[in-house]
Amino acid sequence: DAGVIQSPRHEVTEMGQEVTLRCKPISGHDYLFWYRQTMMRGLELLIYFNNNVPIDDSGMPEDRFSAKMPNASFSTLKIQPSEPRDSAVYFCASSPISLAGVDEQFFGPGTRLTVL
Amino acid sequence: GDSVTQMEGPVTLSEEAFLTINCTYTATGYPSLFWYVQYPGEGLQLLLKATKADDKGSNKGFEATYRKETTSFHLEKGSVQVSDSAVYFCALSVQAGTALIFGKGTTLSVSS
Repeated sequence: DAGVIQSPRHEVTEMGQEVTLRCKPISGHDYLFWYRQTMMRGLELLIYFNNNVPIDDSGMPEDRFSAKMPNASFSTLKIQPSEPRDSAVYFCASSPISLAGVDEQFFGPGTRLTVL
Repeated sequence: GDSVTQMEGPVTLSEEAFLTINCTYTATGYPSLFWYVQYPGEGLQLLLKATKADDKGSNKGFEATYRKETTSFHLEKGSVQVSDSAVYFCALSVQAGTALIFGKGTTLSVSS
């Protein structure tokens, strides 16, 4: 298994531009999570999906951020328009459903976003 | 609300030293507890976990015991190596189908 795949690995853009981050979860995993990591705020949950349906988007900072999961093997996180304060590392993670309770989350390598 | 508190870092140790990284939690019910590790330039990886009180999770020489009476899940290793240098995150989950709640992370730096 290739693990969680994220693209691009690095993105540098100018303020005001649209940014789209992509994630392919591990096949068969029912949950998909988007996190943002910064030095100041640590690791923050932005949104997560169960079976392609958004369950909790309370962590999405504002309307400039949107996330979709059109099918079980693909998700996007879009920022439009981007601002310098959006600069961070964005992680995608997936997790299988577990009858025994919560299973571990498997993280992708992250996308380092820099907004100039 | 539910939360995780980790000791502030960075933690700087010499090779073969003993490591403890403290983690305490606040949660309703009976959470599952995790330690994740993030090596430079990589995503988080599960290091170990415990799903009920008194369980001990262990992996790669690291251990942590789920202590319900003290609401703690401290990470320990008897002899650290330079390759253990990373950021360590304590996390909890209160039920299946919900996101993990992470602590802020503790940076460990081990020198030879």
